Amino acid sequence: DIQMTQSPSSLSAFVGDRVTITCRASQYISHSLNWYQQRPGKAPKLLIYAASTLQGGVPSRFTGSGSGTDFTLTISDLQPEDSAVYYCQESYTPRWAFGQGTKVEIK
Amino acid sequence: EVQVLESGGDLVQPGGSLRLSCAASGFIVSNYAVSWIRQAPGKGLEWVSALTSAAGPDYADSVKGRFTLSRDNSKNTVYLQMNYLTAEDTATYYCAKERSSAPNYLDPWGQGTLVTVSS
Repeated sequence: DIQMTQSPSSLSAFVGDRVTITCRASQYISHSLNWYQQRPGKAPKLLIYAASTLQGGVPSRFTGSGSGTDFTLTISDLQPEDSAVYYCQESYTPRWAFGQGTKVEIK
Repeated sequence: EVQVLESGGDLVQPGGSLRLSCAASGFIVSNYAVSWIRQAPGKGLEWVSALTSAAGPDYADSVKGRFTLSRDNSKNTVYLQMNYLTAEDTATYYCAKERSSAPNYLDPWGQGTLVTVSS
């Protein structure tokens, strides 16, 4: 089974900052990588699919990149509503694996 | 609008059973895969099972032999039958629609239903 490892586990930044979350797959997954945002008490929401394609309605300050085994999610101009846990998820295999999550807090 | 709505979560004793429902609107469940994902309290997301339109059901090793997926096309609903429940099954269970073609992803998700296994 594929393992997804995110780093850092948590981070704290100021409004307006640029933050980057990394996700590493234990084996090659091409561009089959999705990112989800989960705000407190809410269901996860799709942000980015196929490593870099922004889901409709998602602000353009969210960008994804990477391929193969290494991926990044960048939030530029961090906003208060971006306080959430972010998960990566591979869709390369039928039994999808999630990263452990990265908690983003606003200072 | 495409939506999924879970129901059926409850408090159940260890060894007991529960059936969760995932009612779909805005799409036909027999044409798309629907996945179940769970989240233990304070923990991350874990894929549990998926019912595809072509390949049939699939299950995580942690629930294989205990959980069973089914679908009622007349009600446009997917069910997750959970048997021999243990404390480790305590979680919020989400269902989500798969795009079902490359690139695949989960969208939308339901609001979740809480399953608590405790005596």
